[in-house]
Amino acid sequence: NAGVTQTPKFRILKIGQSMTLQCTQDMNHNYMYWYRQDPGMGLKLIYYSVGAGITDKGEVPNGYNVSRSTTEDFPLRLELAAPSQTSVYFCASSPRLYEQYFGPGTRLTVT
Amino acid sequence: DQQVKQNSPSLSVQEGRISILNCDYTNSMFDYFLWYKKYPAEGPTFLISISSIKDKNEDGRFTVFLNKSAKHLSLHIVPSQPGDSAVYFCAASVGGNTPLVFGKGTRLSVIA
Repeated sequence: NAGVTQTPKFRILKIGQSMTLQCTQDMNHNYMYWYRQDPGMGLKLIYYSVGAGITDKGEVPNGYNVSRSTTEDFPLRLELAAPSQTSVYFCASSPRLYEQYFGPGTRLTVT
Repeated sequence: DQQVKQNSPSLSVQEGRISILNCDYTNSMFDYFLWYKKYPAEGPTFLISISSIKDKNEDGRFTVFLNKSAKHLSLHIVPSQPGDSAVYFCAASVGGNTPLVFGKGTRLSVIA
């Protein structure tokens, strides 16, 4: 039982490049989330999904896109990377809106 | 505007003593509160929660207290152990229908 897996673990992007952060969960959870954590800050919600085909914006969605075509996968897309998107990104899932299970994170640097 | 505030960025406690981590919130609609623990280079893990119908919830060495009138909750760890050294996040939600709002975290160091 792997829980929530995220790839890659680390990535360095140049300004203007695009990339997709992958997230997969094997717990059959309906809810999935993407957060970012900046140094010394809490977790800020980027997007979340309450089930396949349904996504909604969180607190900081600008510059990101998501899709949820299956229960298991919830990829996060950065279209035009900017230095302000340098952060650690966490994916999470939950059977309901509480008690989320987090992945190990992706550390992204945009230079 | 921060709805969930953890005003102490760090806390140091001797092993065996009590650790008290505090959290304040501004949104009176919050009715479910959680604490998460995070080690370096790992994702946060759920620790303990409390609903607004209670004022206390215990799980082993961890107890969460909720004071609704003061919009304040605290996490007590007794006795503290070196393995408890981590960043602790407080989070809150409204009615199970809204995503969690997290505080900035408090870094706890338990000194042997």
